[in-house]
Amino acid sequence: AQSVAQPEDQVNVAEGNPLTVKCTYSVSGNPYLFWYVQYPNRGLQFLLKYITGDNLVKGSYGFEAEFNKSQTSFHLKKPSALVSDSALYFCAVRDISYGQNFVFGPGTRLSVLP
Amino acid sequence: EAGVAQSPRYKIIEKRQSVAFWCNPISGHATLYWYQQILGQGPKLLIQFQNNGVVDDSQLPKDRFSAERLKGVDSTLKIQPAKLEDSAVYLCASSNLAEQETQYFGPGTRLLVL
Repeated sequence: AQSVAQPEDQVNVAEGNPLTVKCTYSVSGNPYLFWYVQYPNRGLQFLLKYITGDNLVKGSYGFEAEFNKSQTSFHLKKPSALVSDSALYFCAVRDISYGQNFVFGPGTRLSVLP
Repeated sequence: EAGVAQSPRYKIIEKRQSVAFWCNPISGHATLYWYQQILGQGPKLLIQFQNNGVVDDSQLPKDRFSAERLKGVDSTLKIQPAKLEDSAVYLCASSNLAEQETQYFGPGTRLLVL
């Protein structure tokens, strides 16, 4: 069975500093990996995905994520945080080898302090 | 391009009552998903449609939940009878066949069962 862990419930960072939101996954086959962001009272918005190819994936709003197969991780990063980045971030995985559907992590709340 | 539409945005009912949610996906998107997001958790897939056929309903509590997508466009999710533990946000998402990995989410319906 596939699963996703986001070890931090909350991440606090000062505006202008780099940010990292952690994600680790477990699948039996090959993973497709995703990051979504959720602002208050709104649905999830797609940020970026890893399907195949370059391990460093660039997405919307200056975010990027690095796929690390040996560590089964897909951490979300941004070089310089903005206050407007404050939101709930979800990592998701799909085990494409077994036709499994999406499994989402529990979410990490990011607070960027001015 | 219009996004995924959902209604109502909020609903309060008493336990044992019935409730229905409506979703209109992005035009041309063949795949439609319903998710349940309980407070503090990531979304959990309830059911996936491709056109008007069910692809995956393994996590749908079929004794009380039902969903349909009769014409392959909009969809309705029903709960009858509702329980206290059904209080959650119900998210609808859609994707197109060419890029199934990227889901576009609606704003959700927040359900409170008293």
